[in-house]
Amino acid sequence: GAVVSQHPSWVICKSGTSVKIECRSLDFQATTMFWYRQFPKQSLMLMATSNEGSKATYEQGVEKDKFLINHASLTLSTLTVTSAHPEDSSFYICSAIRQGEGETQYFGPGTRLLVL
Amino acid sequence: QKEVEQNSGPLSVPEGAIASLNCTYSDRGSQSFFWYRQYSGKSPELIMFIYSNGDKEDGRFTAQLNKASQYVSLLIRDSQPSDSATYLCAALNYGGATNKLIFGTGTLLAVQP
Repeated sequence: GAVVSQHPSWVICKSGTSVKIECRSLDFQATTMFWYRQFPKQSLMLMATSNEGSKATYEQGVEKDKFLINHASLTLSTLTVTSAHPEDSSFYICSAIRQGEGETQYFGPGTRLLVL
Repeated sequence: QKEVEQNSGPLSVPEGAIASLNCTYSDRGSQSFFWYRQYSGKSPELIMFIYSNGDKEDGRFTAQLNKASQYVSLLIRDSQPSDSATYLCAALNYGGATNKLIFGTGTLLAVQP
């Protein structure tokens, strides 16, 4: 199968600090990675699409200066939540598309962020 | 606004019964559809995808697609308590530099032992 990991799985931080979340495809090269956010009892909301070596494409309403995405290689994408506030507390999930496998997205286990 | 609609449930079925989960989509341009299962507190895991009209079977799961009616469904045969989860339907939206999935809000399935 296609394994996607995320680190950390849990993070608690103070308001105003920045938090970096890593997303890695462990056994395949990912042409594209996606970042989602999910609030309790709601569905996944796409935040941005990330392609290796190029700037991320952000969805409408997502602040690119607040949610910094770096896709440094075909196996790693990072999301940095800058100056986090309590309203940023959420479940952040990444997904990846394996090269040559169409559009199927494989999801990481998610990172739960709590901003105090 | 391209949307994917699902009944939030909960859908309650007895163990061993067939669970039927339904989904409608608004964008006629969508060609591929995905079903994911999400356990509480976990991330989604892929069950199957479908892009042709008709049925597609994989083990206890059957996905059905009717493009004329813009309707997708997932049948789970011989439902088990371990199938209790939220089932997310997603439509692949074509456009821009990258295609992206539009998710429904999910249907909560409860399989009663």
